[in-house]
Amino acid sequence: DAMVIQNPRYQVTQFGKPVTLSCSQTLNHNVMYWYQQKSSQAPKLLFHYYDKDFNNEADTPDNFQSRRPNTSFCFLDIRSPGLGDAAMYLCATSLQRGGYEQYFGPGTRLTVT
Amino acid sequence: ELKVEQNPLFLSMQEGKNYTIYCNYSTTSDRLYWYRQDPGKSLESLFVLLSNGAVKQEGRLMASLDTKARLSTLHITAAVHDLSATYFCAVVNSGYSTLTFGKGTMLLVSP
Repeated sequence: DAMVIQNPRYQVTQFGKPVTLSCSQTLNHNVMYWYQQKSSQAPKLLFHYYDKDFNNEADTPDNFQSRRPNTSFCFLDIRSPGLGDAAMYLCATSLQRGGYEQYFGPGTRLTVT
Repeated sequence: ELKVEQNPLFLSMQEGKNYTIYCNYSTTSDRLYWYRQDPGKSLESLFVLLSNGAVKQEGRLMASLDTKARLSTLHITAAVHDLSATYFCAVVNSGYSTLTFGKGTMLLVSP
């Protein structure tokens, strides 16, 4: 089945230690998104890629970076995680921009110690 | 800037009762999504509403969209425990092609 896969599902990192979260998709969608969702809050868009075109949200901290080496994979890098970065990180894809339906992966739960 | 407001934010219901969740948004948009999220899980797409007057139904849930009033509703009929979850509406930002989510409605259905 075509799907959005996130690895790992759970990640524990130390304060200030860089961490990378991975997302892959078999849907062949052009757009990939990264959201941060803290407990009891709505998902917050960090950035998205339309093909190779990177689009950063204005309020996304510089501590968060992303890479998309090919259509199938997208990575979220947190350069120096703080305690406030503990959250669920959701990857989503859509066929195109323009409000096409987004398909979400299972998420990675990040804990910062 | 697009703002999306959901209410109520928390809803405790008895099984068998009906209720409606409301989603208001502040600027013009012609596409709205409803998602369900179980605790610790990802988002599951429920409905895509694409035009004014759109109505979609799946089981005990029915969603509608009024683009003139900038309002969507999610109506629950004869609630059952399995519907307990958090429900989010999300509105497309025209021109930006991204979604803005409401804060979510946590629904608890008890016997």
